[in-house]
Amino acid sequence: EPEVTQTPSHQVTQMGQEVILRCVPISNHLYFYWYRQILGQKVEFLVSFYNNEISEKSEIFDDQFSVERPDGSNFTLKIRSTKLEDSAMYFCASTKQLQETQYFGPGTRLLVL
Amino acid sequence: AQRVTQPEKLLSVFKGAPVELKCNYSYSGSPELFWYVQYSRQRLQLLLRHISRESIKGFTADLNKGETSFHLKKPFAQEEDSAMYYCALRGQGGSEKLVFGKGTKLTVNP
Repeated sequence: EPEVTQTPSHQVTQMGQEVILRCVPISNHLYFYWYRQILGQKVEFLVSFYNNEISEKSEIFDDQFSVERPDGSNFTLKIRSTKLEDSAMYFCASTKQLQETQYFGPGTRLLVL
Repeated sequence: AQRVTQPEKLLSVFKGAPVELKCNYSYSGSPELFWYVQYSRQRLQLLLRHISRESIKGFTADLNKGETSFHLKKPFAQEEDSAMYYCALRGQGGSEKLVFGKGTKLTVNP
C-alpha cells in the first residue's frame, strides 16, 4: 500500500539556521498538508497546498515558513531562521481529493538548539 | 472557534474490559469527526470517520450532536489496542484543516 514518506526522520539544528523538511506524498494525491506537534501538545495545522499554491495557512505559518513542490514528487517545508520554539514533530499529509481521508507520513523530529 | 477536547490524557484497562475514549467538540456548524490512532513508533492512521459509520478493529463511534460528542468505544479491549488515540474535527466552508484533540494514551493490560 502506498505511503507518505518523510526525510529526515530526525534533524538537529542551531537556532537561526535554515532547515528544509522533505515529504513525498502518495503519488496520485493532489492536496498536501503540514502539521506539527510540539512535545506534549496537540497536533496543529500549519498549511495546505494545492495546484502549486497555498490554499490555507494557520497563524503559526508566518513569514519564516514556506512550502514548495519543487518537482513532481517532493513537497517541502522550509523554516528560514529556526527558533527554539520550532522544536517539534512535523507531519506531512496528503489526500487524493477534497474531503477525503488525510494520510500522514511518519514525521520528522526537529530539535533546535 | 473549532475545538476538540479529549479529557483523559491516560486510560488504562484490562484485556477484555470495555473501553470508552471521550471526545467533545466545539463547532458552530456540522463538522466531520475522525478518530486517528498512533501505535508505538508508527504514523498517525485513520481509525474511523463518522460519515462512514464503520466498525474498525471492533471500535465504533457515534456522533451525538446534542452533546457535541464523538466518543470511541470497544466492548472488549485487546492488548494490541494499546496506542495513542486522537480525535479530530474538520469543519465546513472549504477548509480542509484537521483540528486535533490532545490525545488519549490507552494502555490495555494483560
